[in-house]
Amino acid sequence: AQSVTQLGSHVSVSEGALVLLRCNYSSSVPPYLFWYVQYPNQGLQLLLKYTSAATLVKGINGFEAEFKKSETSFHLTKPSAHMSDAAEYFCAVSDHAGKLTFGQGTILTVHP
Amino acid sequence: EAGVTQSPTHLIKTRGQQATLRCSPISGHTSVYWYQQALGLGLQFLLWYDEGEERNRGNFPPRFSGRQFPNYSSELNVNALELEDSALYLCASRMDRGLNQPQHFGDGTRLSIL
Repeated sequence: AQSVTQLGSHVSVSEGALVLLRCNYSSSVPPYLFWYVQYPNQGLQLLLKYTSAATLVKGINGFEAEFKKSETSFHLTKPSAHMSDAAEYFCAVSDHAGKLTFGQGTILTVHP
Repeated sequence: EAGVTQSPTHLIKTRGQQATLRCSPISGHTSVYWYQQALGLGLQFLLWYDEGEERNRGNFPPRFSGRQFPNYSSELNVNALELEDSALYLCASRMDRGLNQPQHFGDGTRLSIL
């Protein structure tokens, strides 16, 4: 069975600071990994996906994630936080049937 | 390109009633997934439909059911509603069964059980 663990249910940063959201996965097969963002009262928006083509994946809104097989990690980063980045972020892994298993989510707060 | 659309946006029901939620996938997408996002329980997989067939279901009782129509739109039906069914129900669509194809989500239906 696949699983995803997001370390830290809440992360708070200052505007302009580095954003680091942690995700560790468990998968018996090479994983397909995704990061999604959810703004209040909205659905999930795809930020980026890892599909084995490259270990460093660039996404939308300046976010990127690095796949590290040895650490079973897929952490999300952004060099400089913006107020508009405040939202809940979900890491997910896809199984052989395409079903997504999500982490518990990390709420990002950005202070001015 | 229109995204995944879900209706209604909000739905208020009482215990024991039945609810029907609808989803229209992105044009060209044949797979539809349903997820439940309940407070404190996170995002949980409910159902997967592809080419009109139910392909997989999550750990939910049989009163959660659905179908996919020939135009690939989908319905989620919840019978004998219980208070704990109150949640945001998200629909997602995907182009094909390729695992590297991401799922695209609608904005959800907020189901409230009184």
